[in-house]
Amino acid sequence: AQTVTQSQPEMSVQEAETVTLSCTYDTSENNYYLFWYKQPPSRQMILVIRQEAYKQQNATENRFSVNFQKAAKSFSLKISDSQLGDTAMYFCAFMKLRETGNQFYFGTGTSLTVIP
Amino acid sequence: NAGVTQTPKFRVLKTGQSMTLLCAQDMNHEYMYWYRQDPGMGLRLIHYSVGEGTTAKGEVPDGYNVSRLKKQNFLLGLESAAPSQTSVYFCASSSPLWRANTGELFFGEGSRLTVL
Repeated sequence: AQTVTQSQPEMSVQEAETVTLSCTYDTSENNYYLFWYKQPPSRQMILVIRQEAYKQQNATENRFSVNFQKAAKSFSLKISDSQLGDTAMYFCAFMKLRETGNQFYFGTGTSLTVIP
Repeated sequence: NAGVTQTPKFRVLKTGQSMTLLCAQDMNHEYMYWYRQDPGMGLRLIHYSVGEGTTAKGEVPDGYNVSRLKKQNFLLGLESAAPSQTSVYFCASSSPLWRANTGELFFGEGSRLTVL
């Protein structure tokens, strides 16, 4: 079974600073996808960034970037120039490819607070 | 853009009562999922469907039933609600990678269910 571990239940960062959220996963799959989702207090789950395992280049989306280490099975999220609107719960997710339906596995989340 | 819509958003039940949560998506997605979110446990898959007329069990299926009579709708039923089913429920949908090369899950806004 796949497992996704987020070892930081809570984190905080000063506004405009940089913060890194960690995620590790366990799998025997060679091809898969990884995602970071953001859940603000409104409860809506929003995709932040995605990474295909077969791509060596780390994904970036504006202030958000990942450090994907396939051999180490690590997928951390870096948020640069943190903003108050980044305050949210962040979930790391692993997607296993299957013809019978892609299967997703989620970590337990990291609650991030951006301090003014 | 409606995306994924869940109804109702909130519901309070007494132990033993039944109810149905409705999920509707307008993105023509093949795959649909029901998750529950509990504090400290992330998202856990209840049931999922890879197409109209098909359903499958996820990680925590006991006490729930589902149906997918139409491609755009995925219903989650509780036949006899128990306090342990107090949770926030999320519906999500996605497409297989061969049709939409993102693979991401699109989520509804969640439904908060309280069983007294």
